Amino acid sequence: KAGVTQTPRYLIKTRGQQVTLSCSPISGHRSVSWYQQTPGQGLQFLFEYFSETQRNKGNFPGRFSGRQFSNSRSEMNVSTLELGDSALYLCASSLLGQHNSPLHFGNGTRLTVT
Amino acid sequence: AQKITQTQPGMFVQEKEAVTLDCTYDTSDQSYGLFWYKQPSSGEMIFLIYQGSYDEQNATEGRYSLNFQKARKSANLVISASQLGDSAMYFCAMREGASGGYNKLIFGAGTRLAVHP
Repeated sequence: KAGVTQTPRYLIKTRGQQVTLSCSPISGHRSVSWYQQTPGQGLQFLFEYFSETQRNKGNFPGRFSGRQFSNSRSEMNVSTLELGDSALYLCASSLLGQHNSPLHFGNGTRLTVT
Repeated sequence: AQKITQTQPGMFVQEKEAVTLDCTYDTSDQSYGLFWYKQPSSGEMIFLIYQGSYDEQNATEGRYSLNFQKARKSANLVISASQLGDSAMYFCAMREGASGGYNKLIFGAGTRLAVHP
């Protein structure tokens, strides 16, 4: 079974630009969540999608947004990039309805903002 | 607010020895789940082990076991017979939300483990 796939693996953008990251969950997983990892703040929850609906959102500005498609694939978008947005962005998928179901993570997209 | 604390920024262990990575948590929920993940330098997060708050026995998965002490709110990871490939960052995390239906994990700061030959 294929794991969680994130594309691209690496991105370099300049301040003020916008970026879109993509995530394909494990087949059959309908919940997709996104996390930001930085050396200073650690791992922080961005948002979670299920059945094309955002169910939960972390404490991030509105520049961070996402969506989920009918095939459960998800994208996240960051507009008006700032230097502090440089981070590893991790996507995770999971089954629902099972309290012990772990989140399975992708390899991440490493974003560098210059 | 829910919180995970990992007090060991770095640990080292000799190959083939056992090592314990500490994790304490704070929550007012009665139902919660605790996870341990491994993150090698490549960046991927690898699921290791899960412990539910109502599980009566400590979880085990191969060389990984979880020393769960509910009254002390601790969930320490024990790695037996360490291998060089175990060198990585290790994160303790808690699933927020009693039902578990919301896939939001709260992570600790992590512990960097170095295994020496």
